[in-house]
Amino acid sequence: NAGVMQNPRHLVRRRGQEARLRCSPMKGHSHVYWYRQLPEEGLKFMVYLQKENIIDESGMPKERFSAEFPKEGPSILRIQQVVRGDSAAYFCASSPYDGSNTEAFFGQGTRLTVV
Amino acid sequence: ILNVEQSPQSLHVQEGDSTNFTCSFPSSNFYALHWYRWETAKSPEALFVMTLNGDEKKKGRISATLNTKEGYSYLYIKGSQPEDSATYLCAFLNTNAGKSTFGDGTTLTVKP
Repeated sequence: NAGVMQNPRHLVRRRGQEARLRCSPMKGHSHVYWYRQLPEEGLKFMVYLQKENIIDESGMPKERFSAEFPKEGPSILRIQQVVRGDSAAYFCASSPYDGSNTEAFFGQGTRLTVV
Repeated sequence: ILNVEQSPQSLHVQEGDSTNFTCSFPSSNFYALHWYRWETAKSPEALFVMTLNGDEKKKGRISATLNTKEGYSYLYIKGSQPEDSATYLCAFLNTNAGKSTFGDGTTLTVKP
């Protein structure tokens, strides 16, 4: 059973371009979480999704950021018109249900650098 | 906004020392507390899932306790080894959300 897969591992974008980060959860997991780690900071929650539904996006910046978890395929975190402040490590985690009594399994992250 | 605080921020110990650090979280609407171990260049891995007041969990030399009434959890490492060097994260879940709120972590460095 493969773990949580994130790609790409490293992504470089110029200011104003779009960044697409992909997360394939573990087999059988229908809950996906995205976290961001800014330089010198801890993990900060961004968004929680179930298949085809956004459950909680309270940590997501209001503009330029969007996330989806379609019925088929990976979850996508999309950042439009990237700026230097978007440079961070973005981690995805998945769990089989709402995560209360089971730990989340993390991917290895995508490190986004905006130049 | 839920405040989850970990202390100390960093810790340097000698091989063989025992150590402990703290995670503080809101004492109301508690649902679960998770501890994760995060090694450099890897992804966080779960150590413990704690749900009941008074819970004590153990995995090898690492153990954790939980006090939900006062809102804290301790992580203990007995006889630290260099391979224990990592950042230890706690994550709090309350009854109203399926997401975890993470503390900023305690970074442990064990010197040989």
